[in-house]
Amino acid sequence: AQSVTQLDSQVPVFEEAPVELRCNYSSSVSVYLFWYVQYPNQGLQLLLKYLSGSTLVKGINGFEAEFNKSQTSFHLRKPSVHISDTAEYFCAVSAGGSQGNLIFGKGTKLSVKP
Amino acid sequence: GAGVSQTPSNKVTEKGKYVELRCDPISGHTALYWYRQSLGQGPEFLIYFQGTGAADDSGLPNDRFFAVRPEGSVSTLKIQRTERGDSAVYLCASSLMGQGARNSPLHFGNGTRLTVT
Repeated sequence: AQSVTQLDSQVPVFEEAPVELRCNYSSSVSVYLFWYVQYPNQGLQLLLKYLSGSTLVKGINGFEAEFNKSQTSFHLRKPSVHISDTAEYFCAVSAGGSQGNLIFGKGTKLSVKP
Repeated sequence: GAGVSQTPSNKVTEKGKYVELRCDPISGHTALYWYRQSLGQGPEFLIYFQGTGAADDSGLPNDRFFAVRPEGSVSTLKIQRTERGDSAVYLCASSLMGQGARNSPLHFGNGTRLTVT
């Protein structure tokens, strides 16, 4: 079975500062990895995903994530955040071959302050 | 174009009542998923439809929960004898081709917030 751990429930950061949101997973099979963002009162939106190939994945809004198989991590990064990045971010994993039956972490609330 | 639509956006019901939650997927999407998001938690998988059939219902918590998709488009999640612990946001998602399709990401609706009093 797969599981996801997001180590930080809340991350406050100042505007234009860099940010890293941590995600670790466990799985006995190959996995697909995802980051979703949820803005207030909106649905989940896909930021980026890792299926295979290059371990550095670039997504929308300047975010990127790196798949590290040896550390079973998929941390999300952005070099300079904006106020508009304030949202909740969810890391998710699915067994290889599936993008649907996702196992989500508990989420990290990113709060960007001016 | 239109995204995944869920109605109602909010539903308040009394303990013991029956509720139905509706999901209109993106037109042409064959795969449809239901998730439940409790307060302070990430979404939790409930059930997956490929076309009209439930391909995986392993996430349904008990037999009070049931979902249908009779024509392979709109889906209804039904909850009988609601309990306070059923209070959550119920999310629907659709994708073009479903499991096994590498480039078939999920598109989520805004959810239905269910409150059982």
